[in-house]
Amino acid sequence: ETGVTQSPTHLIKTRGQQVTLRCSSQSGHNTVSWYQQALGQGPQFIFQYYREEENGRGNFPPRFSGLQFPNYSSELNVNALELDDSALYLCASSLRVYNEQFFGPGTRLTVL
Amino acid sequence: AQTVTQSQPEMSVQEAETVTLSCTYDTSESDYYLFWYKQPPSRQMILVIRQEAYKQQNATENRFSVNFQKAAKSFSLKISDSQLGDAAMYFCAYSSGAGSYQLTFGKGTKLSVIP
Repeated sequence: ETGVTQSPTHLIKTRGQQVTLRCSSQSGHNTVSWYQQALGQGPQFIFQYYREEENGRGNFPPRFSGLQFPNYSSELNVNALELDDSALYLCASSLRVYNEQFFGPGTRLTVL
Repeated sequence: AQTVTQSQPEMSVQEAETVTLSCTYDTSESDYYLFWYKQPPSRQMILVIRQEAYKQQNATENRFSVNFQKAAKSFSLKISDSQLGDAAMYFCAYSSGAGSYQLTFGKGTKLSVIP
């Protein structure tokens, strides 16, 4: 059974650019959640997708957007990047909304 | 809004000894879940243990156990017979028992294991 995978591993962007991060959920999992983990902090919930629909959103501005595809993989898009967007972005999938979340290894985004 | 507080930024333990990591939380909900996650330097967040609020019995997973004090809103993690591989960041997390079940994390405790 393949676990949660994320791509790319690392990414460097400049302020004002746009970025897309990708997540492949664990086989059979229909729910994907995204978290932002700033250096030295705990992860913060960005949003969750359940069966291709947004199912909850944290305190993040609209320039953070997402998608979930019919195979339940997901994308996180961030527009107009700011320096404070530099962080580790974690994706987690679960069998159902209420089940245990399994995390991927994360994407390290650096905004210069 | 729910909050999770970990008051120990760093802890250390001798190999084979026992260590307890502290966590307190604030919520007005009656149905919720509490978790301890481990994040080693490899960055992958791994679930250590999970506690349902409606269960009075403390959860245990091999060398890991919790002390869940619902009235005090306290949820500590005890690691027995500490091993070098236990060295990592440990995060306490809360999830509501409804809605998106999103996780609210504390700031973490860095655990070092001394050989």
